[in-house]
Formats: sequence, C-alpha cells, structure tokens
Amino acid sequence: EAQVTQNPRYLITVTGKKLTVTCSQNMNHEYMSWYRQDPGLGLRQIYYSMNVEVTDKGDVPEGYKVSRKEKRNFPLILESPSPNQTSLYFCASSPDRVGYGYTFGSGTRLTVV
Amino acid sequence: KQEVTQIPAALSVPEGENLVLNCSFTDSAIYNLQWFRQDPGKGLTSLLLIQSSQREQTSGRLNASLDKSSGRSTLYIAASQPGDSATYLCAVRGQAGTALIFGKGTTLSVSS
Repeated sequence: EAQVTQNPRYLITVTGKKLTVTCSQNMNHEYMSWYRQDPGLGLRQIYYSMNVEVTDKGDVPEGYKVSRKEKRNFPLILESPSPNQTSLYFCASSPDRVGYGYTFGSGTRLTVV
Repeated sequence: KQEVTQIPAALSVPEGENLVLNCSFTDSAIYNLQWFRQDPGKGLTSLLLIQSSQREQTSGRLNASLDKSSGRSTLYIAASQPGDSATYLCAVRGQAGTALIFGKGTTLSVSS
C-alpha cells in the first residue's frame, strides 16, 4: 500500500531532551515536507526537501532540523524541545511532477512538558 | 505572499442536505489546488486534486470547482451524511515553490 509512515504517533517528552520523529514513504517521491498544525494557526510548513541531500526552510523552521540521506526517509529532529513545540506534526510527500498532489502521514502528536 | 481563506469556519446541516464549502486564495499563480478531509486528531485524507488548467473534479458525492482567475474554489457535497462530519481543508500549491499553503478549514457537522 502506498503510504507515508510516521513514528511515533504520540510522544510526551521533557524540555531539552533531544528527539527524532521519523518519516518514511514507499512511493519513490522526490518531494517531502514537514508541517505542524496548531489551533487557530492551521498547518504551516517547517522544512521541505526536493531530493536527496537537498533541504530548505519552510515558514517556521526555528528549533527544528531535518536530513535527507535517503530518498524514502525524512526525519524531523528537535535538538532541544521546548513547550512551544507542542503540536501535531505531519509529514507529506509528492512526486516531482506538479500535476500530482501530496500524500500525508497520519500525524505525530508531540507534547513537551 | 499567498493566503488561503475558507468560509465558513463551521457549518451544521441536517442529513441529506447539499452544501458548498468555499475557498479563496490571493495569488492566482498556482499549480494546483487540493481538498483534504481531517477527522479530529487524525491525518489528512486527500479528496480531490484540481490542476490549474482544470475547472472541476468529481469523486462520488463530491465535486470541486476551480476559478483560478478569481482565486476561488468550491467543494460541493451532495446528499450529506453524518459520516461526512469532519474538517475540510483547502490547500494550494504555488508556482514559486513546493509548499502547500493551507486554509484554516471548515468544520462540518451533519446531524441525523
């Protein structure tokens, strides 16, 4: 089944403890993105990648890192999480052809205490 | 900067009613527009994708239209059902980059 898989689905952590949210897609898509969703603010792009070893900042990149060493994987790294990073996070992927839409993962609900 | 607005923010209708959700965007230079459904606390399910060159797309009881020149899209839901209750999100993919710019959604409640 074609899909974007995120792990974990739920995570509670403490301020300052480094964490990684994994994202993997099995559709051979070139584009991958991370979004966060917050009440009243909607979905905002954090980082995106156009292909292996090519990443760039989205609208809200502060406090996050990403890497794209393999085409299928695009992990989101929070090196020192803070409570304002408590949010619902989504990974998404798309082919490198603008006629195609994005496929989203099921989301990761992160709580930083 | 592209902005996407969805009206209304919330909508309650009785089962069986036909309804229209609205989406507007400020920059008409888009590649495509995508409608998503999101159930509470869940992921995004793609409903319809309309290319910039298209006027509408249909899937079952759903029909989405696009008027790029006026910066508008509508999602028409026919014969609504309680199972249609969810938040509907509109997102545009601009020509300037790869990002999807989302509206804040319309939360639909269909009562039986």
